Amino acid sequence: QVQLQESGPGLVKPSQTLSLTCTVSGGSISSGGYYWSWIRQHPGKGLEWIGYIYYSGSTYYNPSLKSRVTISVDTSKNQFSLKLSSVTAADTAVYYCARVPTPETDWLSRFDPWGQGTLVTVSS
Amino acid sequence: SSELTQDPAVSVALGQTVRITCQGDSLRSYYASWYQQKPGQAPVLVIYGKNNRPSGIPDRFSGSSSGNTASLTITGAQAEDEADYYCNSRDSSGYVFGTGTKVTVL
Repeated sequence: QVQLQESGPGLVKPSQTLSLTCTVSGGSISSGGYYWSWIRQHPGKGLEWIGYIYYSGSTYYNPSLKSRVTISVDTSKNQFSLKLSSVTAADTAVYYCARVPTPETDWLSRFDPWGQGTLVTVSS
Repeated sequence: SSELTQDPAVSVALGQTVRITCQGDSLRSYYASWYQQKPGQAPVLVIYGKNNRPSGIPDRFSGSSSGNTASLTITGAQAEDEADYYCNSRDSSGYVFGTGTKVTVL
């Protein structure tokens, strides 16, 4: 079964760029059929969808974060990555990666599976 | 982007039934999916589509939808069902999550 695992620094300084990687095991990103997504959760708050990437490299971002977000994919490593620039304390959150089927694959959208999440704190 | 609104908190007696609702314009066009999240853990998919349960999810979890409202029902709530629950759907700007409902089992 497909499993996802986030990795990256747990502490980022204000104004710098947050960088995280999600490693996929048990399945190949290159197989297609799925969007590979990033989702975050501020401490004690709800879930916020950040964006997704397809294996081809096409991306789609939450309009509220679009100006600062870049999601990329490395199919050779079966990984996809998140970069969030110009971070502030408001970007402190647990960041999750997850898979969602493309509408062409399955019209019934759902995020499954999820990685375990990684806490990123923005502080000097 | 659109919003999905949920009641902040509900409580249910052990063994009784609780319904959690999710309201939003996107639900007129797309089905909701539902996630259970326990403290310190990642969300887990419990319902998607009209009323589909992933493998391993107990059949006491069910879903329904009407107009701009989706519902998750737990029939015969168990102590282990105490958690936060989030709805989600596609929308015109990608995907949107609900505000979340904390379910307390008394």
